[in-house]
Amino acid sequence: TQLLEQSPQFLSIQEGENLTVYCNSSSVFSSLQWYRQEPGEGPVLLVTVVTGGEVKKLKRLTFQFGDARKDSSLHITAAQPGDTGLYLCAGPRSYNTDKLIFGTGTRLQVFP
Amino acid sequence: DTAVSQTPKYLVTQMGNDKSIKCEQNLGHDTMYWYKQDSKKFLKIMFSYNNKELIINETVPNRFSPKSPDKAHLNLHINSLELGDSAVYFCASSLFGTEASPLHFGNGTRLTVT
Repeated sequence: TQLLEQSPQFLSIQEGENLTVYCNSSSVFSSLQWYRQEPGEGPVLLVTVVTGGEVKKLKRLTFQFGDARKDSSLHITAAQPGDTGLYLCAGPRSYNTDKLIFGTGTRLQVFP
Repeated sequence: DTAVSQTPKYLVTQMGNDKSIKCEQNLGHDTMYWYKQDSKKFLKIMFSYNNKELIINETVPNRFSPKSPDKAHLNLHINSLELGDSAVYFCASSLFGTEASPLHFGNGTRLTVT
């Protein structure tokens, strides 16, 4: 069974700090997506990484896909209260499938 | 314009009742989904439809029955509601239904069964 384990599960930090969220699996994924979910809303896609070793930047957010395509990380520089939310990684169950498996989630709280 | 809209936002009902959740997307997507998010925020797929055809049916009790009248709508009917059905249900859609297609989610329906 493919599982996506995220760590840490919870993270509370002060505004201006840096942080990294990890998404790990024992299985290879053809691609991974990262979503952010705010309270009372559905998850919103942040980025998709498809190539092993790929690094993508979205303003203060940096996403990396592991060389072996079994893991990914999300690094946030100088976190702001607006970054608060639930961060979810997700990947297709197997090749050529539209079924996305979601990670266990990381709840981030950034205090002003 | 809301891309994926689902109604109602909140649903409180008693055990044994039957209820429906409606979902509509105006993105022109071919594939629609129902996901269940439990109290620990874990998101799990329930169903997937592509052009009105059922593609994925995870291990979901028969009390849950999706219906897709057209590719822009996917409704979820739940019979004989149980306490364990309490969760947030999300409708989502994607363009191609391929592995890299991003999902567009609705804002969820919080179902509380008492």
